Amino acid sequence: RKEVEQDPGPFNVPEGATVAFNCTYSNSASQSFFWYRQDCRKEPKLLMSVYSSGNEDGRFTAQLNRASQYISLLIRDSKLSDSATYLCVVTLWSNTGKLIFGQGTTLQVKP
Amino acid sequence: DTEVTQTPKHLVMGMTNKKSLKCEQHMGHRAMYWYKQKAKKPPELMFVYSYEKLSINESVPSRFSPECPNSSLLNLHLHALQPEDSALYLCASSQGLSYTEAFFGQGTRLTVV
Repeated sequence: RKEVEQDPGPFNVPEGATVAFNCTYSNSASQSFFWYRQDCRKEPKLLMSVYSSGNEDGRFTAQLNRASQYISLLIRDSKLSDSATYLCVVTLWSNTGKLIFGQGTTLQVKP
Repeated sequence: DTEVTQTPKHLVMGMTNKKSLKCEQHMGHRAMYWYKQKAKKPPELMFVYSYEKLSINESVPSRFSPECPNSSLLNLHLHALQPEDSALYLCASSQGLSYTEAFFGQGTRLTVV
């Protein structure tokens, strides 16, 4: 079983749609949680950290459920520029600094 | 400024060549990382440096040799690579190992011929 699992997609949605990505992690000793965005042939860029209380940044909302070991990302009012791969990332309490990546979910927003 | 700078952006090298990848950050971060990314795959950790000391080597072949000359710089020395080593090599940094909101450089796209 992979440490971090995501539905690879692709998710093809029209502009203005709401889309949700899910991610599960297997290690209960996971400490920190992030969503990164990666455009084709570019580096991953931090989109947002994910907290147990949930957090929102504009059109983006991230949720963490530690009991179910589940993370989500909701994108409202999708824009063409949201087209990218979204990577779910987890770190462990061992404080190694190691980022554990999911396989990524590809989003294609169409006009 | 959340910038991590990598040079060169692209590199083509032969299997007998020696080359180096460079990474620089001026955010005062004390942890720096090398990741390798193949097409359509997530990044894979290679090395972690904390306070200029190597803390993790993910069983990387010795043809890859990391170096951290100071807290702002990270190098990756390459020697006798194989074609399957062709990939995007990403440098990242974070404030420390326990606060791992990491920022990535734009990467070096390496082709081994």
